[in-house]
Amino acid sequence: NAGVMQNPRHLVRRRGQEARLRCSPMKGHSHVYWYRQLPEEGLKFMVYLQKENIIDESGMPKERFSAEFPKEGPSILRIQQVVRGDSAAYFCASSRLTVSEQYFGPGTRLTVT
Amino acid sequence: AQTVTQSQPEMSVQEAETVTLSCTYDTSESDYYLFWYKQPPSRQMILVIRQEAYKQQNATENRFSVNFQKAAKSFSLKISDSQLGDAAMYFCAYTRNQGGSEKLVFGKGMKLTVNP
Repeated sequence: NAGVMQNPRHLVRRRGQEARLRCSPMKGHSHVYWYRQLPEEGLKFMVYLQKENIIDESGMPKERFSAEFPKEGPSILRIQQVVRGDSAAYFCASSRLTVSEQYFGPGTRLTVT
Repeated sequence: AQTVTQSQPEMSVQEAETVTLSCTYDTSESDYYLFWYKQPPSRQMILVIRQEAYKQQNATENRFSVNFQKAAKSFSLKISDSQLGDAAMYFCAYTRNQGGSEKLVFGKGMKLTVNP
């Protein structure tokens, strides 16, 4: 059973460009979470999605950030017009419906130059 | 809002000895889960151990055990017989139990060094 997959592992963008981060949950998992880790910090919750639904986006910045989890395909975290402050590691986690453990992907390290 | 505090940013331990990592949390909920995650230099987040708040018995996983003090809102991790591979960042995390999946709230982490 493959774990949570994230790609790309490393992404470099210039200021003003768009970044798209992908996450494929573990087989049988219908819940996806996105977290951001700034240097020397713990992970901070961004958004929680189920298929075709955003359940909790209380941790998402109000502008430039969006997330989706379509019926088919991976979950996408999209950052428009990136700025240097967006440089961070972005982690995706998935879980089953009634189980509390979240299993994490390897993360995408975004660098904005 | 729930918060998780790890007051020790760094610790070190000699190989084969025991070390305890501390964590406190704040919540008004009565039913929740607590976790310790390990993040080695690869940056992969690895679940070490889980504790359900309604269980009085402390969770154990091989060399890893917790001391869960619900009234004090304390959740420490004990690593016995420390190994070089235990060197990593350790994060304490909390999630409430609402009958479905909930977001994790993390502490800032603690860097553990294991000396040979």
